[in-house]
Amino acid sequence: RKEVEQDPGPFNVPEGATVAFNCTYSNSASQSFFWYRQDCRKEPKLLMSVYSSGNEDGRFTAQLNRASQYISLLIRDSKLSDSATYLCVVSGFNKFYFGSGTKLNVKP
Amino acid sequence: GAVVSQHPSWVICKSGTSVKIECRSLDFQATTMFWYRQFPKQSLMLMATSNEGSKATYEQGVEKDKFLINHASLTLSTLTVTSAHPEDSSFYICSARNLIGQGEAFFGQGTRLTVV
Repeated sequence: RKEVEQDPGPFNVPEGATVAFNCTYSNSASQSFFWYRQDCRKEPKLLMSVYSSGNEDGRFTAQLNRASQYISLLIRDSKLSDSATYLCVVSGFNKFYFGSGTKLNVKP
Repeated sequence: GAVVSQHPSWVICKSGTSVKIECRSLDFQATTMFWYRQFPKQSLMLMATSNEGSKATYEQGVEKDKFLINHASLTLSTLTVTSAHPEDSSFYICSARNLIGQGEAFFGQGTRLTVV
């Protein structure tokens, strides 16, 4: 079983839409959780950390559900520039494990 | 945010030659760095964890004699792909963990290796 699983998508949404991604992880001892964004042929960049209480950064909201072992990312009012692959990352024992990424296409 | 610099950003080499990729943390000390490989349309796959002053820890299925890792200082780790073959062509990315704050990882720009 993979450490981290994500729906690969693609999610095709119009500008202004709200879109949500989920990610599940297998190791209940995982300690830290992140969402990264990766543009085509570029390195991943940190989008936001995911805190137990949930956190929001502008149009982006991240939530963690430890009981069900999943993480979510909600993007409101999608922009064309949000088009990218979103990677769910789970960390534990000084290792990072990446989901396969969810591709988002925001269309005009 | 923290900066990790990776060099070169792309390289083309002949089969059988070796290629060295450098990863530097520019504004923080990284006792641990990570090396990943990414094939087209696939996720990042952890190859090895590089520990300053000690041997790297390789993931299952990664040949340690083929992918040599050296982490000689707190700001530099190198990955050498030895006797490269076309199937080694890939996007190699390093990252370093900033232990201050949430412990998030910052990534180098990646190296696109093409073996011909």
